[in-house]
Amino acid sequence: QKEVEQDPGPLSVPEGAIVSLNCTYSNSAFQYFMWYRQYSRKAPELLMYTYSSGNKEDGRFTAQVDKSSKYISLFIRDSQPSDSATYLCAMSDGQAGTALIFGKGTTLSVSS
Amino acid sequence: NAGVMQNPRHLVRRRGQEARLRCSPMKGHSHVYWYRQLPEEGLKFMVYLQKENIIDESGMPKERFSAEFPKEGPSILRIQQVVRGDSAAYFCASSSGPSPAYEQYFGPGTRLTVT
Repeated sequence: QKEVEQDPGPLSVPEGAIVSLNCTYSNSAFQYFMWYRQYSRKAPELLMYTYSSGNKEDGRFTAQVDKSSKYISLFIRDSQPSDSATYLCAMSDGQAGTALIFGKGTTLSVSS
Repeated sequence: NAGVMQNPRHLVRRRGQEARLRCSPMKGHSHVYWYRQLPEEGLKFMVYLQKENIIDESGMPKERFSAEFPKEGPSILRIQQVVRGDSAAYFCASSSGPSPAYEQYFGPGTRLTVT
C-alpha cells in the first residue's frame, strides 16, 4: 500500500460546480497536510496548509483533515475555468527537515 | 523578489552523457529540496540540502546521482551516465527554515529528456 493515495482523474466539471478532491494515507504519524496546485508545466504552488485535524477555509477553497479516517479533502466552491490544473496533496510527519510525501495528483478540468 | 530559479528549463542528453541541473533558491533561503516527477506520477523526494551539507539523501538513487549546495552559487543535481529511465521533470524547492514548519517554494522545473 502506498503511503499516499490520490485518484488521478481526470475530473471534469462545469463552471460553478463544487469540486471535491481527496487523498487517503496510511502513516498515522502525518500531522502536516498541504494542497498544491500545478498548472501544466509550471511550478507547484501551495494552496492550503493544515496542521492536524480540522477545517481551514481560504476564499473559495476549504481543506479538511480527518486523522481518524486518514483522509483529507480539498473543496473548491464556484469553480472557474482558471481552476483547471493538477492538484497535489502532500503530507509530513512534522520532523524538522523531513521531506513532503506527495500524492500522484488529480487533474481537474472546469468547462465554461 | 525573484522566486526559485532553475536552469536549464529543458535539457536533452544522449544515453551515457552527464546531466547537470541547477537551482538558485529564493533570496534568504538556505534549505533546498530536490524532487523528481515521472510521467503520471507525483513528486518524489530525492535529497534535502542546507548550505554545504547534505541533510537527507534517502530518496536519491544509490548510483549515478549526486547533489551539492556550495557556500556560493546554486545547488546542483548531477546525473552521470544518464539512461532513458532518468527522463523526468526535476523540481527544486527552497525554504527559509526546515520543512514542514516553513513553506517550500518550488521552481519551474527542468525537463530532462534522454534519447
